[in-house]
Amino acid sequence: KAGVTQTPRYLIKTRGQQVTLSCSPISGHRSVSWYQQTPGQGLQFLFEYFSETQRNKGNFPGRFSGRQFSNSRSEMNVSTLELGDSALYLCASSPGQELVTGELFFGEGSRLTVL
Amino acid sequence: TQLLEQSPQFLSIQEGENLTVYCNSSSVFSSLQWYRQEPGEGPVLLVTVVTGGEVKKLKRLTFQFGDARKDSSLHITAAQPGDTGLYLCATDGGGSNYKLTFGKGTLLTVNP
Repeated sequence: KAGVTQTPRYLIKTRGQQVTLSCSPISGHRSVSWYQQTPGQGLQFLFEYFSETQRNKGNFPGRFSGRQFSNSRSEMNVSTLELGDSALYLCASSPGQELVTGELFFGEGSRLTVL
Repeated sequence: TQLLEQSPQFLSIQEGENLTVYCNSSSVFSSLQWYRQEPGEGPVLLVTVVTGGEVKKLKRLTFQFGDARKDSSLHITAAQPGDTGLYLCATDGGGSNYKLTFGKGTLLTVNP
């Protein structure tokens, strides 16, 4: 079956702009998580959604937001971009019924460069 | 938030050599996952260990979970260029928080 699909794969923005990233989970998966990956900090948790509800949020400023639609697709938005937002943004899906996190299935990521 | 330390940070070896990478925490792991991330790809789960002292094998990869569940190791026998990638350990920290905390990873390069 098809894996997790993230779009766009690459994008370049300038400081102050905003960006929206999209994620389509594996069919039947209802949980979608977002992670930011940088060389210095590694993978850091942004937020997790299940059935359109945010169940957890990481320690990121309010400029980072997300949402999930009824078909489980998810988007994340970063407003007022800063140079430090340059990173690989990874989306992951899982069935989501379990209380604790099981295996996450990651997409290939969206690589954001802020100039 | 549980902190995971991975060592070494970088490892470059020749094809055919053996290697071990480590993942440690000051807190007890509820469970631990190992992922491998190849260049240009997202991480892919290799194994989940849950029980202290557990050993799991995946072809040439051997995963150990410490008896006290505060450390884990990944041993690769006769490394091949296809093993090149970033090896990440991760834990959910127990409880229903719906997130994984990752170590910063070990970047392995296997040279032909």
